[in-house]
Amino acid sequence: AQSVAQPEDQVNVAEGNPLTVKCTYSVSGNPYLFWYVQYPNRGLQFLLKYITGDNLVKGSYGFEAEFNKSQTSFHLKKPSALVSDSALYFCAVRDGNNAGNMLTFGGGTRLMVKP
Amino acid sequence: NAGVMQNPRHLVRRRGQEARLRCSPMKGHSHVYWYRQLPEEGLKFMVYLQKENIIDESGMPKERFSAEFPKEGPSILRIQQVVRGDSAAYFCASSPVGQGTYEQYFGPGTRLTVT
Repeated sequence: AQSVAQPEDQVNVAEGNPLTVKCTYSVSGNPYLFWYVQYPNRGLQFLLKYITGDNLVKGSYGFEAEFNKSQTSFHLKKPSALVSDSALYFCAVRDGNNAGNMLTFGGGTRLMVKP
Repeated sequence: NAGVMQNPRHLVRRRGQEARLRCSPMKGHSHVYWYRQLPEEGLKFMVYLQKENIIDESGMPKERFSAEFPKEGPSILRIQQVVRGDSAAYFCASSPVGQGTYEQYFGPGTRLTVT
């Protein structure tokens, strides 16, 4: 079975400061990892993914994430937060060795960026 | 290229009625996934379909819930005899192929309220 943990329900950061949203995962095969963002009353928007290759992945809106195999983590980062980044962020994993394509999501982390 | 379309966006049903949720995938996508999101929670996988085939329904409740993706027309998630606990946001996602490294693209969701 695969699982994702987002240990922080909410992250508060001041505008202009760096932000980190944490994610750890568990999967038996190769991890395919994804970050999505959800704005109020909207669907999920894809931010970035890690499949293979460089551990640092760059995505939309200036976000990046670092894959750490030994720590089974895939933390989302941004060097300088914007108020408009305030939203709900979801980490997801699927087993790359699994013929199915089920994504397992974490419980979400609410990011609050204060002016 | 239009994104994933879902309708209705909001649906109110009384207990015991039927709810039908529709999803049209992105153009060129033949794989559809349904997820359920309870308030302040992450998304939980329900079912994965290709045209005329259910590939994985391991997340579907055993009773009252069914899904289809006919050769023509949208995918339908059907909930019979709804109960208050069915109140949630239901999201549909699509991808161009089922295997591989593709991310899933999400629709805006249908918010079901059971009164």
